[in-house]
Amino acid sequence: DVKVTQSSRYLVKRTGEKVFLECVQDMDHENMFWYRQDPGLGLRLIYFSYDVKMKEKGDIPEGYSVSREKKERFSLILESASTNQTSMYLCASSLTILTVTLSYNEQFFGPGTRLTVL
Amino acid sequence: AQSVTQLGSHVSVSEGALVLLRCNYSSSVPPYLFWYVQYPNQGLQLLLKYTTGATLVKGINGFEAEFKKSETSFHLTKPSAHMSDAAEYFCAVSFPGGSYIPTFGRGTSLIVHP
Repeated sequence: DVKVTQSSRYLVKRTGEKVFLECVQDMDHENMFWYRQDPGLGLRLIYFSYDVKMKEKGDIPEGYSVSREKKERFSLILESASTNQTSMYLCASSLTILTVTLSYNEQFFGPGTRLTVL
Repeated sequence: AQSVTQLGSHVSVSEGALVLLRCNYSSSVPPYLFWYVQYPNQGLQLLLKYTTGATLVKGINGFEAEFKKSETSFHLTKPSAHMSDAAEYFCAVSFPGGSYIPTFGRGTSLIVHP
């Protein structure tokens, strides 16, 4: 079974603090993703990475940065946390399925980190 | 641009009743379609997916979905709801030749009454 783990299930931080959210996957997937989940808004992509040291902005990258120094680990960084970053953060990893007739990602998700910024 | 719409942010059913969660997409090319389930305080888990071939797809826990190209839909059904089915359900779509990253709907919360 693919396993995606996140460093914390619950986290409480203060405004202005630097916050690190860690994600580790054990299936040698090349792609990793960070989403935030808010009620009524579904999942919104923050950043993704398709290889070590590579990163791409998603739909809502402002206020966030990422780091991928090893294939299995993808970190989300909030340089200066703000109250509007209170949310559930979900990490995912995936393989890209590429054949003559198919091209898609099947994602596997971690349990999530519920971050509260006071 | 690709998009996916889930009709109804909340669906309420009685235990034993039919479950129907609606998902429509907009696209000019046949998509790849996914349903994920999220139980309380957990991450998302893949229920089923359509990539090619048979349009009726069976997934885990008795769920199934049918890809209807003419209606641009991929509705999720289960003949008889269990209390344990109470969860958030997400439809997602990606497209051949695109970035391969799925776009998610806003989710539908399934409430099951005894």
